[in-house]
Amino acid sequence: EAAVTQSPRNKVTVTGGNVTLSCRQTNSHNYMYWYRQDTGHGLRLIHYSYGAGNLQIGDVPDGYKATRTTQEDFFLLLELASPSQTSLYFCASSDLGQSSYEQYFGPGTRLTVL
Amino acid sequence: LAKTTQPPSMEAYEGQEVNVSCSHTNIATSEYIYWYRQVPHQGPQFIIQGYKDYVVNEVASLFISADRKLSTLSLPWVSLRDAAVYYCIVTDLGTGGYKVVFGSGTRLLVSP
Repeated sequence: EAAVTQSPRNKVTVTGGNVTLSCRQTNSHNYMYWYRQDTGHGLRLIHYSYGAGNLQIGDVPDGYKATRTTQEDFFLLLELASPSQTSLYFCASSDLGQSSYEQYFGPGTRLTVL
Repeated sequence: LAKTTQPPSMEAYEGQEVNVSCSHTNIATSEYIYWYRQVPHQGPQFIIQGYKDYVVNEVASLFISADRKLSTLSLPWVSLRDAAVYYCIVTDLGTGGYKVVFGSGTRLLVSP
């Protein structure tokens, strides 16, 4: 079964702080995604990537950068964190080669910006 | 991407069959229908996908209307572990499946 891990699982920072969320998948999937989840909004796509060095903009990219360093690793960067970025962040991966394109999600990172 | 509409919540007792409906009136011919569920403190988990007619797997079954504007996820004999938020999603596989939009989902409450 696909495995997606995220770190840290919880993070507290202050306004203006610099935060990096990490995601690793060990199933050689092409696509990786970053979502945020807030009450009343479901999951919203921030950024995604279809391979190392590639980055695509999602639906809510403002205030976020991302980098895909390898096929396995995808990072989400908040360089000047704001309270509005307090949220639950999920990473996911999927394989372009499979017919179902189902996404496999990590356990999430809860970020609090004070 | 087609927008989906689901009931915000449903209730059931253990052992009942539960049918969760989803409306996607503007679904395009290139779009597929996916269902995910999410339990507290975990990421969403894929349940089933389909394009038309009827699909079944070991977890659930999915019925899609002939015009593809309505789908129904059927969960046989629900247990307390099936209490979760269920998301209906449509996505265009022609784009690699990346454009997935999660709505607010349907919260299923299961009582003993």
